[in-house]
Amino acid sequence: DTGVSQDPRHKITKRGQNVTFRCDPISEHNRLYWYRQTLGQGPEFLTYFQNEAQLEKSRLLSDRFSAERPKGSFSTLEIQRTEQGDSAMYLCASSYTGTNEKLFFGSGTQLSVL
Amino acid sequence: GENVEQHPSTLSVQEGDSAVIKCTYSDSASNYFPWYKQELGKGPQLIIDIRSNVGEKKDQRIAVTLNKTAKHFSLHITETQPEDSAVYFCAAGSPGGSYIPTFGRGTSLIVHP
Repeated sequence: DTGVSQDPRHKITKRGQNVTFRCDPISEHNRLYWYRQTLGQGPEFLTYFQNEAQLEKSRLLSDRFSAERPKGSFSTLEIQRTEQGDSAMYLCASSYTGTNEKLFFGSGTQLSVL
Repeated sequence: GENVEQHPSTLSVQEGDSAVIKCTYSDSASNYFPWYKQELGKGPQLIIDIRSNVGEKKDQRIAVTLNKTAKHFSLHITETQPEDSAVYFCAAGSPGGSYIPTFGRGTSLIVHP
């Protein structure tokens, strides 16, 4: 395992459809973050997990968004009833508490809602 | 919550020149300041970081300085090369407990050969 893996890399969907993204963190990392990035902006925090517990959620995360991390390994981010404003790059990052707080990011999933 | 401002949004330099990117933060509790480089089609990658008990840190051609009193920190790249062209992000936060770094809006660095 050489890094954080995200799937798919690109997703095109029609408005109103549901989409799900997957993130596989670095195997020994216990924290997993989801960020959203739009063109010309920095990553914006959505939510994070420590092991399987979802510890924080941003106010940006509407009730159409849900994230899970069963068994504290991979995570999924689901967006229901997608809107054009959901078009963005969705980034996943992982880190390990106890040593340092360095976040390692995946390459992201680029979502386009038509 | 934390607010991070980053300037400039775009920086164009000639190969071999130095580049400086500046960030300010609002939360005096923040004590960890990483910098990330994002190349096209990739996620941000950590290039250097600094903690509040240190005023400056260097790693080959890159250095970061921190002024806690003024709540600003800067990234310095010397002898720039075309492969330094990318978007750079600063971030701020306080590790321990619930650590959620807040990012700046990014600086697009263009190094002309």
